[in-house]
Amino acid sequence: ELKVEQNPLFLSMQEGKNYTIYCNYSTTSDRLYWYRQDPGKSLESLFVLLSNGAVKQEGRLMASLDTKARLSTLHITAAVHDLSATYFCAVRSQETSGSRLTFGEGTQLTVNP
Amino acid sequence: DARVTQTPRDKVTEMGQEVTMRCQPILGHNTVFWYRQTMMQGLELLAYFRNRAPLDDSGMPKDRFSAEMPDATLATLKIQPSEPRDSAVYFCASGLAGWTGGTFFGQGTRLTVV
Repeated sequence: ELKVEQNPLFLSMQEGKNYTIYCNYSTTSDRLYWYRQDPGKSLESLFVLLSNGAVKQEGRLMASLDTKARLSTLHITAAVHDLSATYFCAVRSQETSGSRLTFGEGTQLTVNP
Repeated sequence: DARVTQTPRDKVTEMGQEVTMRCQPILGHNTVFWYRQTMMQGLELLAYFRNRAPLDDSGMPKDRFSAEMPDATLATLKIQPSEPRDSAVYFCASGLAGWTGGTFFGQGTRLTVV
């Protein structure tokens, strides 16, 4: 059974600081997603990472994938308050058919002024 | 602006009542997912469909939950009878099999069973 673990689960940081969220998964995967969820809202797709060494950046967020280590990171640069949200990684296992995703527990990020 | 549409957005019902949630996937998407989100369990996959056929519904309590896709533009999730422990936000999501893009989520249905 595919397990996806994120850490930290809660992150409180100051504006302007940098930090990294980690996502570990337990079996081989060919696709990893990062989503953002604001309170009471839906999940918004941020990144899709398809191969080992893949790196994608959007604004102050950068995601990377190391399939050998079964690890993805979401790096936040010079955080701003607008980035406060819950961030989920989700993994598609190569061992299961179809497109089902298994989600991590989520990292609740609070950026303080 | 293509999006996944879910109705209703909020539903409050009494225990024992039937609840039906509806989802219109993005036009052209052939994979549809139902997820449930709670504080305790996080995001759980309940069921998913490819080309309207159910591929996996192992996450769904079979005695009370049922999911169907009557046509390519409509997916339904039904709970009968509903119980307080079913209170959660139910998300529908759609995607395109084989595409390297993402899976897109609807706004969710917040269900409260009292």
